Amino acid sequence: SQTIHQWPATLVQPVGSPLSLECTVEGTSNPNLYWYRQAAGRGLQLLFYSVGIGQISSEVPQNLSASRPQDRQFILSSKKLLLSDSGFYLCAWSGLAPSYNEQFFGPGTRLTVL
Amino acid sequence: SQKIEQNSEALNIQEGKTATLTCNYTNYSPAYLQWYRQDPGRGPVFLLLIRENEKEKRKERLKVTFDTTLKQSLFHITASQPADSATYLCALDKKAAGNKLTFGGGTRVLVKP
Repeated sequence: SQTIHQWPATLVQPVGSPLSLECTVEGTSNPNLYWYRQAAGRGLQLLFYSVGIGQISSEVPQNLSASRPQDRQFILSSKKLLLSDSGFYLCAWSGLAPSYNEQFFGPGTRLTVL
Repeated sequence: SQKIEQNSEALNIQEGKTATLTCNYTNYSPAYLQWYRQDPGRGPVFLLLIRENEKEKRKERLKVTFDTTLKQSLFHITASQPADSATYLCALDKKAAGNKLTFGGGTRVLVKP
């Protein structure tokens, strides 16, 4: 069966510090991978989308970047965190388009920027 | 601009009753619509998917309808239980944009015993 891992689970970082969040998927090949951010009491905002190694689509211009160095690894990074980067970060995977596949989410990382 | 609207107010309901949630959208032509459940501090969990050519879908105590003319989906939880208390999110695909979804803000459901 497929599983998705995210770490760390929680993170408190000072403004201006770098960030690296990691997501890995097991039990599937060639997944679509996604990074979302969820502000408190809000819906999910799609940040990045990847259909393959090295292929990243940015949905929202911002202070963050993403990379996919391996088929089942997705990394979210920042060189300098802003207060507005605080939130709940979720990684998800799905099967390949154009089939209508649901998305499977990881447990999330709670990021607080102080 | 494209919008997905869910009632932001919490839905309080007595155990055993049917909870009905609404998802309205504008300026979309989705190929399908999905509903997810999210518990506090957890990632969303997929519940149901309904395609644009389907009117209704059922799964156990859950029922989803999809009216592309009204641009609306209704999500029903019948015989609700306290364990159904959670936030429910609807999501639509961006047609011709792969498998990317756009989520509504979610509606919190509280089922009281």
